[in-house]
Amino acid sequence: AQSVTQLDSHVSVSEGTPVLLRCNYSSSYSPSLFWYVQHPNKGLQLLLKYTSAATLVKGINGFEAEFKKSETSFHLTKPSAHMSDAAEYFCVVSWRGRRALTFGSGTRLQVQP
Amino acid sequence: NAGVTQTPKFQVLKTGQSMTLQCAQDMNHEYMSWYRQDPGMGLRLIHYSVGAGITDQGEVPNGYNVSRSTTEDFPLRLLSAAPSQTSVYFCASSYREGTDTQYFGPGTRLTVL
Repeated sequence: AQSVTQLDSHVSVSEGTPVLLRCNYSSSYSPSLFWYVQHPNKGLQLLLKYTSAATLVKGINGFEAEFKKSETSFHLTKPSAHMSDAAEYFCVVSWRGRRALTFGSGTRLQVQP
Repeated sequence: NAGVTQTPKFQVLKTGQSMTLQCAQDMNHEYMSWYRQDPGMGLRLIHYSVGAGITDQGEVPNGYNVSRSTTEDFPLRLLSAAPSQTSVYFCASSYREGTDTQYFGPGTRLTVL
C-alpha cells in the first residue's frame, strides 16, 4: 500500500536559521506531491505542490521543496525561519488513478526567538 | 467568496446521540470530502463526493453517512456517536479530485462523552 512518511514529528529551530522538514513516500509511480500548513486551531492551507513540472517547487512565504524521484523524497525547506512559521506541516501525496489523498502524520515546527 | 464553511465549530455529544456536521462551499467545486484528524495520525479520509448525487467511502467510513444533493453542500452524519469519534473534522473541496489543490474548512471539534 502506498504510504507517506514524515521523518520528524517535531522540529525546533531558532529564528533566522534554515528549516528542513523531511518527507518520503513509498512509490515513485506518477505521484503529485503537496505540502500543507496548519496553524493552531485553523484549517489546512496549501504551501506548494509538485505535479510533474520543475522538480524544484517554490511556494508561499519563502518555502520550497525538491522532488527527488530516485530517493522518493519531497523535503520542505526555508532559508530563514520566522516566528510566524511555527505550525504543523503535512506532506500529502496523490497517486495517479487514486481518488483519495494520503497524508503524512505531520511535523510540528517550533521557532525559538 | 466565503470558501469552505463548516458548522458548528465545537460540539459535545453523549454516546448514542446523532448529529450532522454541515459543510458548504461557494466555489462551484465538484469534489468534496470529509477528513478526521487525530493526534499523530495526520488526516484520514471518511467519505468523498465527485459531484451531486455521487458519494463513496474513504479510509474510515464506519459510523458516518453522507449525501450530496447539491454541488454546494456536503453534510456528514454521525448515526450513533461513540467516544472513538472524538476528533477534529475537516471538510475540503476542489475543482477535481486527485492532483487538484484542496481547500479546507476551519474544522469542527467534536467530543463524545
